[in-house]
Amino acid sequence: DQQVKQNSPSLSVQEGRISILNCDYTNSMFDYFLWYKKYPAEGPTFLISISSIKDKNEDGRFTVFLNKSAKHLSLHIVPSQPGDSAVYFCAARGGYGNKLVFGAGTILRVKS
Amino acid sequence: GAGVSQSPSNKVTEKGKDVELRCDPISGHTALYWYRQSLGQGLEFLIYFQGNSAPDKSGLPSDRFSAERTGGSVSTLTIQRTQQEDSAVYLCASSLSGEKLFFGSGTQLSVL
Repeated sequence: DQQVKQNSPSLSVQEGRISILNCDYTNSMFDYFLWYKKYPAEGPTFLISISSIKDKNEDGRFTVFLNKSAKHLSLHIVPSQPGDSAVYFCAARGGYGNKLVFGAGTILRVKS
Repeated sequence: GAGVSQSPSNKVTEKGKDVELRCDPISGHTALYWYRQSLGQGLEFLIYFQGNSAPDKSGLPSDRFSAERTGGSVSTLTIQRTQQEDSAVYLCASSLSGEKLFFGSGTQLSVL
């Protein structure tokens, strides 16, 4: 039962353009959402988060949008840089317990 | 320490052997999580410790898997009678608030 889905396994973007990574969830009890970035041979690192009471959160080049009615969130990276090339995981928390439920990840490649 | 520390970084074992994976969380973090990432898959929740509460073991895949957290700090994940399907990167994370998780670099387990 995949409660958090990242339907695009990979995304390729030209340097300087916008990267949009998408995530869908099914559990309406989720109230907090996060994006993590992972480089090879390293653990995931926190990128940005959003509470369910908001629909947008911005931090520098990174913006997360939340559409609760559609149970959809997205991460926008503008402008994309080659160093952004990594695996991006969407995660959600809420309902029973405090554990984060992760999506399968999207590999982002930013071409220079 | 400055971050979450995991050891060993790599472990190669034979099918049927037991293995122990260690996690040193960030000092003061009350929550500790174990996840694993199999090849090409997302992060799969295994177990979660929060303070002195009973751990959430709902993600452990079988009774061959167990984990302890001694003194509210260091945790050990034990896999008995390892199988080839146990091969994965085992990631430990700790958290102060339960919102942002800080991950270690993981233990790459290979069962031959």
